[in-house]
Amino acid sequence: NAGVMQNPRHLVRRRGQEARLRCSPMKGHSHVYWYRQLPEEGLKFMVYLQKENIIDESGMPKERFSAEFPKEGPSILRIQQVVRGDSAAYFCASSPPGLGRAGRNTIYFGEGSWLTVV
Amino acid sequence: DAKTTQPTSMDCAEGRAANLPCNHSTISGNEYVYWYRQIHSQGPQYIIHGLKNNETNEMASLIITEDRKSSTLILPHATLRDTAVYYCIVRVESGGSNYKLTFGKGTLLTVNP
Repeated sequence: NAGVMQNPRHLVRRRGQEARLRCSPMKGHSHVYWYRQLPEEGLKFMVYLQKENIIDESGMPKERFSAEFPKEGPSILRIQQVVRGDSAAYFCASSPPGLGRAGRNTIYFGEGSWLTVV
Repeated sequence: DAKTTQPTSMDCAEGRAANLPCNHSTISGNEYVYWYRQIHSQGPQYIIHGLKNNETNEMASLIITEDRKSSTLILPHATLRDTAVYYCIVRVESGGSNYKLTFGKGTLLTVNP
């Protein structure tokens, strides 16, 4: 897990506020993935991004959630108007340019950001 | 998407080998099998991955059957710190030559003293 940096590690928000979670990928990695893990559940894929481009957002809720990975700076997962059901651990992962057809690459995860909505 | 089936839980004695099975009977010829584990309240940790040949690294060995319909992750000498949920994953295409990993429920391995 070393190298993928997520912050904040813990975030408390009141209902209706915005939450911003940041992810800095490992050095040399240009692809970022976001996953969500609800309490006592498995990891659910949310979105897959490369610099300035969304590759796959099939797991993103249709409303209130957005993600970006700008040319400079970390990837941001933004949750607007948070509700109690958004309370979860949000994990970011990164890889060199994708997993690749040859399968040489893999993705590495950060330690997660725990969001609590009160 | 290929699906994987794993036992919900397993126990292993400390110092013994832990053999975690995974069925992926619908896997196609170019799909890789990945193994990760998640220790409570931590991020998933990469263990190993392979296509059709057996693989070994400092953490574990991966044995893939010849028909590729199942695999086994072997932790040769389990320790208490190996207690975790172990995920067997077949990567799926995410558009073009991009792939993503879709996690199932995994196997909770408990290593007992």
